Amino acid sequence: DAGVIQSPRHEVTEMGQEVTLRCKPISGHDYLFWYRQTMMRGLELLIYFNNNVPIDDSGMPEDRFSAKMPNASFSTLKIQPSEPRDSAVYFCASSLASGRNQPQHFGDGTRLSIL
Amino acid sequence: GESVGLHLPTLSVQEGDNSIINCAYSNSASDYFIWYKQESGKGPQFIIDIRSNMDKRQGQRVTVLLNKTVKHLSLQIAATQPGDSAVYFCALNGNTGKLIFGQGTTLQVKP
Repeated sequence: DAGVIQSPRHEVTEMGQEVTLRCKPISGHDYLFWYRQTMMRGLELLIYFNNNVPIDDSGMPEDRFSAKMPNASFSTLKIQPSEPRDSAVYFCASSLASGRNQPQHFGDGTRLSIL
Repeated sequence: GESVGLHLPTLSVQEGDNSIINCAYSNSASDYFIWYKQESGKGPQFIIDIRSNMDKRQGQRVTVLLNKTVKHLSLQIAATQPGDSAVYFCALNGNTGKLIFGQGTTLQVKP
């Protein structure tokens, strides 16, 4: 079974550049989540979608971050302009429910380094 | 507020021994609990879950125990193997239905 697929696996770019992270959820899952993981803060939920609609974006750090889900099989997380403090591993996850009683399944992440 | 804490950030065990990783939580309303395993360079991998109407659930070499009275969750790994070396996270559903993750325990397996 194909799991959650993220691309790119690694991204190194200079501050001020636009960064776009991509995610393909597991087919049939109607919830999609974007997380950020750092040593200092652990796993942080940035935003989640239900049936392609953003439900809660309270975790998005600031206006430089945006996320879209144009269809059930694709989502993007964009940072513009990027800053060094955005360096982290970004994970996408999908599930059959929001978290009430179904596990979220994670991709292998995008390791982002902003120089 | 809601919080999830772990008793030990690092656990070192001998290969073949049993491992026990603990988690404490604060929200009495949480009714769904999950354990994840994260290996270096990979995303968290679902191991096992348990609902609040149960106090024990077993999988392959793993057992999750839930004590709602003291708000404590544990993961037991039988006959720990080198491939079990990873960071283990507990997670539970909070008031908003979103998952709340603990900080993680690093399990080191000594040969």
